[in-house]
Amino acid sequence: DTGVSQDPRHKITKRGQNVTFRCDPISEHNRLYWYRQTLGQGPEFLTYFQNEAQLEKSRLLSDRFSAERPKGSFSTLEIQRTEQGDSAMYLCASSPEIAGGNYEQYFGPGTRLTVT
Amino acid sequence: GESVGLHLPTLSVQEGDNSIINCAYSNSASDYFIWYKQESGKGPQFIIDIRSNMDKRQGQRVTVLLNKTVKHLSLQIAATQPGDSAVYFCAENIFSGYSTLTFGKGTMLLVSP
Repeated sequence: DTGVSQDPRHKITKRGQNVTFRCDPISEHNRLYWYRQTLGQGPEFLTYFQNEAQLEKSRLLSDRFSAERPKGSFSTLEIQRTEQGDSAMYLCASSPEIAGGNYEQYFGPGTRLTVT
Repeated sequence: GESVGLHLPTLSVQEGDNSIINCAYSNSASDYFIWYKQESGKGPQFIIDIRSNMDKRQGQRVTVLLNKTVKHLSLQIAATQPGDSAVYFCAENIFSGYSTLTFGKGTMLLVSP
């Protein structure tokens, strides 16, 4: 399977704990995105990488959230001191970069986070 | 799997009917639009896209129509099948160089055999 993969698929944690999620994009894609989706809503943009550079962050991304893409391949999203409001599906997407255009983003299956 | 469709507008059709799902987008500067399909417990799946210099684009069994005057997008699915049952989202993008997508609220499509 050469699609976007995410790990773990499900995570249950207690409030106050730290969690880290991993995303492996499609190998030739140099753009990587993180989104958050709550029940009944569309995905909301969190942050965007082009290669290893984090180029954009949403105001939704509080100080407790940090994302990295150290080698321009896989990415991690860490949430520190989790709160119940962090419970959501965290989606990763990737897309190619071709000059002068917008291109479809391919999504992974998501990581479902439940904070108890 | 967990449903993503709670409290969403719902379109119920019979197998073989044509379906039309509508979306009002928010930003008149948006120049790229995508329709995604999301099944329960899965990530969004790309269906079809359209750029703002077009008003219609066709794929296999799907057609997207864009009306920039009223900021309206629609997805037409021909000969709807039970496997088409899912939540459908439109997403818009302003080419700022970053290509971040803004998603609409979604419509649940239910197809009865």
